Amino acid sequence: SQQGEEDPQALSIQEGENATMNCSYKTSINNLQWYRQNSGRGLVHLILIRSNEREKHSGRLRVTLDTSKKSSSLLITASRAADTASYFCATDPLGGSARQLTFGSGTQLTVLP
Amino acid sequence: DTAVSQTPKYLVTQMGNDKSIKCEQNLGHDTMYWYKQDSKKFLKIMFSYNNKELIINETVPNRFSPKSPDKAHLNLHINSLELGDSAVYFCASSPAQGRYGYTFGSGTRLTVV
Repeated sequence: SQQGEEDPQALSIQEGENATMNCSYKTSINNLQWYRQNSGRGLVHLILIRSNEREKHSGRLRVTLDTSKKSSSLLITASRAADTASYFCATDPLGGSARQLTFGSGTQLTVLP
Repeated sequence: DTAVSQTPKYLVTQMGNDKSIKCEQNLGHDTMYWYKQDSKKFLKIMFSYNNKELIINETVPNRFSPKSPDKAHLNLHINSLELGDSAVYFCASSPAQGRYGYTFGSGTRLTVV
């Protein structure tokens, strides 16, 4: 089953604007990760936030995690046309002898020049 | 140097055929994975291998079999291909199960006709 659900499914903004994507998940986690997938390419790891962290930054990316609400958000500031891609959250579920990353349904971000 | 490489990039084949997709990683990672991405971009874990041991086997038909000759390789063999097998298959690797970001290959687009 899909652990994460991204919202919105699609987002279209102008270059220079900020883009915010949200992710909700169902079970307790060790960490949550965000990935980017350009059209026709593999996924690229962007950032990992652990369950005991609330906020993390990497360049123009800012990720927040609210474990009480089982949700996370990815903010891309000062967006560029090159940021156009699908963005996925993935959760590493807590417990179990064999953990796996479970991916959400993705948000398609289009940045218009 | 390509960190995770999979071949072929495209594979078109007839129903009933048997095919293999190869994956190699040069990162020294302990765990390798196969994911299937459908036409709606949902990513589903198929298999993972840790130190040549199968750890996860989701509800995948037994027509699919992973083969790992060594820690750097995880190949996917598919018997009796069906139309519903058409998808993009991604190989990935990580230093440990779920605790770190995954490195993905560029994908193999399989089309069964």
